[in-house]
Amino acid sequence: DSGVTQTPKHLITATGQRVTLRCSPRSGDLSVYWYQQSLDQGLQFLIQYYNGEERAKGNILERFSAQQFPDLHSELNLSSLELGDSALYFCASSVGQVYNEQFFGPGTRLTVL
Amino acid sequence: AQSVTQLDSQVPVFEEAPVELRCNYSSSVSVYLFWYVQYPNQGLQLLLKYLSGSTLVKGINGFEAEFNKSQTSFHLRKPSVHISDTAEYFCAVTAGGTSYGKLTFGQGTILTVHP
Repeated sequence: DSGVTQTPKHLITATGQRVTLRCSPRSGDLSVYWYQQSLDQGLQFLIQYYNGEERAKGNILERFSAQQFPDLHSELNLSSLELGDSALYFCASSVGQVYNEQFFGPGTRLTVL
Repeated sequence: AQSVTQLDSQVPVFEEAPVELRCNYSSSVSVYLFWYVQYPNQGLQLLLKYLSGSTLVKGINGFEAEFNKSQTSFHLRKPSVHISDTAEYFCAVTAGGTSYGKLTFGQGTILTVHP
């Protein structure tokens, strides 16, 4: 158990819908990261927040957005869902902003039908 | 920008045999390197990391890796594998700076240990 929690574990929805994935970092960690894992793209970095502020952005689609709240939990919002958004979404957390070990949550498996 | 190439998508090996999983990276700046393991239906777990210092890095579960700057490689090794090592292994790099903590992953190597 990494100490990072993600909800829900599984999510099945239809094209065009909007979903919210939630992540609680390990106690004491200030950075939260979101990654997408799919068969064709592999593991892709989406975005990083540190203490509520956006720090780094990857190839995150405009239909996707994220935020980190004052209690440090984070949410990833995916809208206008397409079949290709079906993937495993991981949240990770670390103490600092760079070079730190990232602890990964168990992931949320999103299926878009 | 950084990139990572894991040279083998699948590596089958017999129990108690040695194994090497190969990783090459490309970057125009200094990088920091990691190996993660993903067991079925689980998240990723850090095996080991290279930030600075000795180029031979020891990690958990008997794994080690050697950073070779001239070859831009960071190969993972274990002298004797167990059935429980069956998993997918990911090499990752980060350059820090304006990329902050962004990890760039390789495509993964599935290690299958046969009895």
